[in-house]
Amino acid sequence: DSGVTQTPKHLITATGQRVTLRCSPRSGDLSVYWYQQSLDQGLQFLIQYYNGEERAKGNILERFSAQQFPDLHSELNLSSLELGDSALYFCASSHSSGMGRGDTQYFGPGTRLTVL
Amino acid sequence: DAKTTQPPSMDCAEGRAANLPCNHSTISGNEYVYWYRQIHSQGPQYIIHGLKNNETNEMASLIITEDRKSSTLILPHATLRDTAVYYCIVRVGGSQGNLIFGKGTKLSVKP
Repeated sequence: DSGVTQTPKHLITATGQRVTLRCSPRSGDLSVYWYQQSLDQGLQFLIQYYNGEERAKGNILERFSAQQFPDLHSELNLSSLELGDSALYFCASSHSSGMGRGDTQYFGPGTRLTVL
Repeated sequence: DAKTTQPPSMDCAEGRAANLPCNHSTISGNEYVYWYRQIHSQGPQYIIHGLKNNETNEMASLIITEDRKSSTLILPHATLRDTAVYYCIVRVGGSQGNLIFGKGTKLSVKP
């Protein structure tokens, strides 16, 4: 158990819909990272938040957005869903912003999104 | 971040040591070597990381060559539960942001 929690575990929805995925980082961690894993793309970085502010951005679609709240939990919002958005979505957390030696990312169990 | 090369698959007998190689010939002086593994569709699990010295923890050992162009992850007594995809990632210590996952090595531990 990494200490990172994600809800829900599974989500089934229809094209065009909007969903919200939630992540709670490990106690004391200030950074939250979101990754997408689809069958043909492998693990792809989407976005990072550090202490409430966006820190780094990867290949995140404009239909996707995220935020980190004062209690440090984070939500990933996916809108106008398409079939191709079906994937595993992982959240990871780390203590710092990515600077320095001790920054290790710990991953949650993921949310499996199925778009029908 | 430097690129890594790993064999796509490896087999190991249960109870034997599993030695997983990784080439990172373009690694620079401030880049760390990280290892993660992913079992089925679970979240990637952190294993170990190092800069230039060999490292050991309760899960594995990491051997980094003197020129730092390659490394080996050693699972000393592999079990069936160690069957997973193992990812070697190099990352600048002062960088911010993401890990870049390649295709990794699929390790199959056989009875």
